[in-house]
Amino acid sequence: ETGVTQSPTHLIKTRGQQVTLRCSSQSGHNTVSWYQQALGQGPQFIFQYYREEENGRGNFPPRFSGLQFPNYSSELNVNALELDDSALYLCASSLRQVYGYTFGSGTRLTVV
Amino acid sequence: TQLLEQSPQFLSIQEGENLTVYCNSSSVFSSLQWYRQEPGEGPVLLVTVVTGGEVKKLKRLTFQFGDARKDSSLHITAAQPGDTGLYLCAGAEAGNNRKLIWGLGTSLAVNP
Repeated sequence: ETGVTQSPTHLIKTRGQQVTLRCSSQSGHNTVSWYQQALGQGPQFIFQYYREEENGRGNFPPRFSGLQFPNYSSELNVNALELDDSALYLCASSLRQVYGYTFGSGTRLTVV
Repeated sequence: TQLLEQSPQFLSIQEGENLTVYCNSSSVFSSLQWYRQEPGEGPVLLVTVVTGGEVKKLKRLTFQFGDARKDSSLHITAAQPGDTGLYLCAGAEAGNNRKLIWGLGTSLAVNP
């Protein structure tokens, strides 16, 4: 079975720009979550999608938005980038949360 | 806001020593997961504990969920350099399985 794949692996953007990060979930997993992880910190929950509907959101502003597609792949969009948005963005998929999540390797976003 | 306090934050030990990492909260979780993360990679699930008082073993790693499902511990016996990494605990909110609450992590270095 394939794991979770994220693209791109690294990205540099300018403050004020918009960015789209992509995630292919593990085969059979219908739930996708996105996390932001700053250096030296644990992951911070952004939001979660279940069968194409957002079913949970963390304390992130509306300029962080997402989509889940019928094949359960997902996108994270961030508008009006700020310097503090620089972080590792992790995507994780699951069939049932109690069984745990499979994480991708992340996208390292740098905003300059 | 639920918090998971993880301790210690940093740990540097010699090969062969034992160690324990703690994860504590004042809130009840429906399940608690332990992950290990290496630099530049996403977290990898080690174990999920669900039942209060549950103990799970994974080779030299022993995981325990507190009776009240508010805390957990990870004990490593005879640590090896390959155990080096960031250990993260994450709790699923009781009554709301939409997101995981993450600890800040324990950075473990095992010196040969």
